[in-house]
Amino acid sequence: NAGVTQTPKFQVLKTGQSMTLQCAQDMNHNSMYWYRQDPGMGLRLIYYSASEGTTDKGEVPNGYNVSRLNKREFSLRLESAAPSQTSVYFCASSELRAAPYEQYFGPGTRLTVT
Amino acid sequence: QKEVEQNSGPLSVPEGAIASLNCTYSDRVSQSFFWYRQYSGKSPELIMSIYSNGDKEDGRFTAQLNKASQYVSLLIRDSQPSDSATYLCAVNPGGGNNDMRFGAGTRLTVKP
Repeated sequence: NAGVTQTPKFQVLKTGQSMTLQCAQDMNHNSMYWYRQDPGMGLRLIYYSASEGTTDKGEVPNGYNVSRLNKREFSLRLESAAPSQTSVYFCASSELRAAPYEQYFGPGTRLTVT
Repeated sequence: QKEVEQNSGPLSVPEGAIASLNCTYSDRVSQSFFWYRQYSGKSPELIMSIYSNGDKEDGRFTAQLNKASQYVSLLIRDSQPSDSATYLCAVNPGGGNNDMRFGAGTRLTVKP
């Protein structure tokens, strides 16, 4: 049972390049999330998927797109990377059908945009 | 006002002491509350969840919730150097709402 996995672990992009961050969970959770974490800002929600086939914007969605490929996988795409997107990206999953709605995090992707 | 506020620290305590971490939140309808521990360069790890007023104990950790005061705290008894990390407070309105909000975290250092 791997929990939540993310690839890649590290990535360096040039401004304007695109990439997709991959996330998968094996806990049979319905809901999945993408966060970014910046120094002093805490975790901020980019997009989430409450269930397979649905996605919704979070607090900071601009410059990102997501795809919920199936129940296990949720990807985050940067179409045209900008230096402001330099951050650590975390994927998380949870089961929302009953309290307490705990979220479990993957190991993160450290992205640098030059 | 931030939705979830924590003292950024650093909070420094000697080994064996009690570390007290505090968090306030602004949304009165919030239902579920969480404490995550995050070591430097690692992902957040869930250590406690609480959704009823009062105390919840798990080993050396005690979470305390006071919904009337919109306040949640985490006590770490017999603090160890391995407890040195950033502690994130998170609040979820519940009811199927996905909108978890995180505080910026409090950095704790336990000195041997």
